[in-house]
Amino acid sequence: DAKTTQPPSMDCAEGRAANLPCNHSTISGNEYVYWYRQIHSQGPQYIIHGLKNNETNEMASLIITEDRKSSTLILPHATLRDTAVYYCIVRVAGRNTGNQFYFGTGTSLTVIP
Amino acid sequence: DAGVIQSPRHEVTEMGQEVTLRCKPISGHDYLFWYRQTMMRGLELLIYFNNNVPIDDSGMPEDRFSAKMPNASFSTLKIQPSEPRDSAVYFCASSRLDSTEAFFGQGTRLTVV
Repeated sequence: DAKTTQPPSMDCAEGRAANLPCNHSTISGNEYVYWYRQIHSQGPQYIIHGLKNNETNEMASLIITEDRKSSTLILPHATLRDTAVYYCIVRVAGRNTGNQFYFGTGTSLTVIP
Repeated sequence: DAGVIQSPRHEVTEMGQEVTLRCKPISGHDYLFWYRQTMMRGLELLIYFNNNVPIDDSGMPEDRFSAKMPNASFSTLKIQPSEPRDSAVYFCASSRLDSTEAFFGQGTRLTVV
């Protein structure tokens, strides 16, 4: 699986949009971009994933650049409960690929009141 | 469904003792994963199973670690003998074959003294 690079930490004011970047310059054509987050003392939680189109769900939006070498996770209105470590992962998805995830160091997001 | 259930939530044991961690995956899920998390190494994939069969155990640190999945609803991770450097949070996760999302348990915090 391709490696990802994320800033180690970020702050965001409560109520503002949190934009978390991720670089994955060696991503292959069949690899998806996944985002998970881990709130303190809990297991990682799935947020969103995408291949090349922008994606949105009830939690966040995922913007993938046209060359797919980087992406941004957007939390539109950050709350204190969004304080967590956010992991960007790239991997092949589909049947019989193991579904395993390899986590990097992630970005520690602190939402400030 | 109650989600992935791990037990115990906390375990303190003396060096040299055998430790057994338990996991009940979500019913109907085909994959089960064991991860270990430490400050130094982050989240590491130890082993994963597909339909109760171990597929990749290359992440298991050494022979003191073993994992079994006797049936679709139960898995164990055993450390024998335990050492202080095994102290970590151990997560179990499960997913369906046709799903791109893995669901994590709350983890077992192991302390070996």
